[in-house]
Amino acid sequence: RKEVEQDPGPFNVPEGATVAFNCTYSNSASQSFFWYRQDCRKEPKLLMSVYSSGNEDGRFTAQLNRASQYISLLIRDSKLSDSATYLCVVNTGGRSSASKIIFGSGTRLSIRP
Amino acid sequence: EAGVTQFPSHSVIEKGQTVTLRCDPISGHDNLYWYRRVMGKEIKFLLHFVKESKQDESGMPNNRFLAERTGGTYSTLKVQPAELEDSGVYFCASSQAGQGMNEKLFFGSGTQLSVL
Repeated sequence: RKEVEQDPGPFNVPEGATVAFNCTYSNSASQSFFWYRQDCRKEPKLLMSVYSSGNEDGRFTAQLNRASQYISLLIRDSKLSDSATYLCVVNTGGRSSASKIIFGSGTRLSIRP
Repeated sequence: EAGVTQFPSHSVIEKGQTVTLRCDPISGHDNLYWYRRVMGKEIKFLLHFVKESKQDESGMPNNRFLAERTGGTYSTLKVQPAELEDSGVYFCASSQAGQGMNEKLFFGSGTQLSVL
């Protein structure tokens, strides 16, 4: 089983739609979680951290469910510029071990006009 | 402020040749990581430097890969001899020390390596 799993997609949705991605992680000791965005042929860039209480940044909302070991990303009122691959990233280090940052394989999102 | 820079952006070599990739992290970032993405697969961890020391090299595929970070500034990743399965995009990332579990990585634009 992969340490971080994502639905690869692609998700193809119309502009203005709401879309959600999930990601599951296997190491229950994982302490921190992030969503990165990767545009075609570019490097990954941090989109947002994911906090236990859930957090929002404009049209983007991230949620963490520790009991079920999954993370979600919700994009509201999607724009053409949101088309990208979204990478779920987990720091699998625990409090007593060194951090180790693991990437999911990414979910491709395509927004159509 | 300059971001993470990688050189070359592309490299095409023949099987059996040697290639050296370079990464210049953001100035002042003690943590430096190498990752690799092969076609259709996830970005995989290769190794992690803290300053000039190898903190974790558990992701290095085999002894054909050698990473160095002399002086704790830039890093090189050498593949010798290169094999076909080494083809992929090699990303370097850096981060500040002391962030603990909230460590945020800044990536370079990667080196696309093609082994023919």
